[in-house]
Amino acid sequence: DIVMTQSPLSLPVTPGEPASISCRSSQSLLHSNGYNFLGWYLQKSGQSPQLLIYLGSNRASGVPDRFSGSGSGTDFTLQISRVEAEDVGIYYCMQSLQIPQTFGQGTKLEIK
Amino acid sequence: QVQLQESGPGLVKPSQTLSLTCTVSGDSMISHGYYWSWIRQHPEKGLEWISYIYYTGDTYYNPSLKSRVTMSVDTSKHHFSLKMSSVTAADTAVYYCARYYDNSDWGRYFDHWGQGTLVTVSS
Repeated sequence: DIVMTQSPLSLPVTPGEPASISCRSSQSLLHSNGYNFLGWYLQKSGQSPQLLIYLGSNRASGVPDRFSGSGSGTDFTLQISRVEAEDVGIYYCMQSLQIPQTFGQGTKLEIK
Repeated sequence: QVQLQESGPGLVKPSQTLSLTCTVSGDSMISHGYYWSWIRQHPEKGLEWISYIYYTGDTYYNPSLKSRVTMSVDTSKHHFSLKMSSVTAADTAVYYCARYYDNSDWGRYFDHWGQGTLVTVSS
């Protein structure tokens, strides 16, 4: 299985400030078609996860443009340009290059 | 807007079979590229993909669970199901059903999730 490792595991952020979460995979997620099969999900308290980013850098429908994804191969980053109170929750990266799809352990973003 | 809703017993005895159903509304289950999935989340822990099924009945399982898991789909009743045999306390988790989009050129992701159902394995 591809192992996904996120850092940090806890991220206190002041509203209006930027935030960055790192995700590393044990194998390259770069498909032969040039796309990276890496997605980001946010799980708010008491809710199911929601898709934020797919193919490494594509925002899902309805996701604010303060969220952006970057990276290639084995190193990826989710950036929030200006954190808002509603961004609180646990962020997961997930690889979908091969079965079984695997998730990172999660990064808990909280407001300072 | 597709919606998914899990249903099934919240308590299962050890060694018995866990059975869950996911009812789909708001969209056809017969859509090219969409798979119907189960994912679980152990208490205070991360997410684990269990399996998914295509409307044709083709199934894909996590190798770590494959020997104990069976999925089925009934598009006429707008639902799909999960059976997990020989459960132990380690199978206690919130079980989510979700829709998975799979297209090598357009992405692979879980785009819609149910609210989740807690299944506790205990005598």
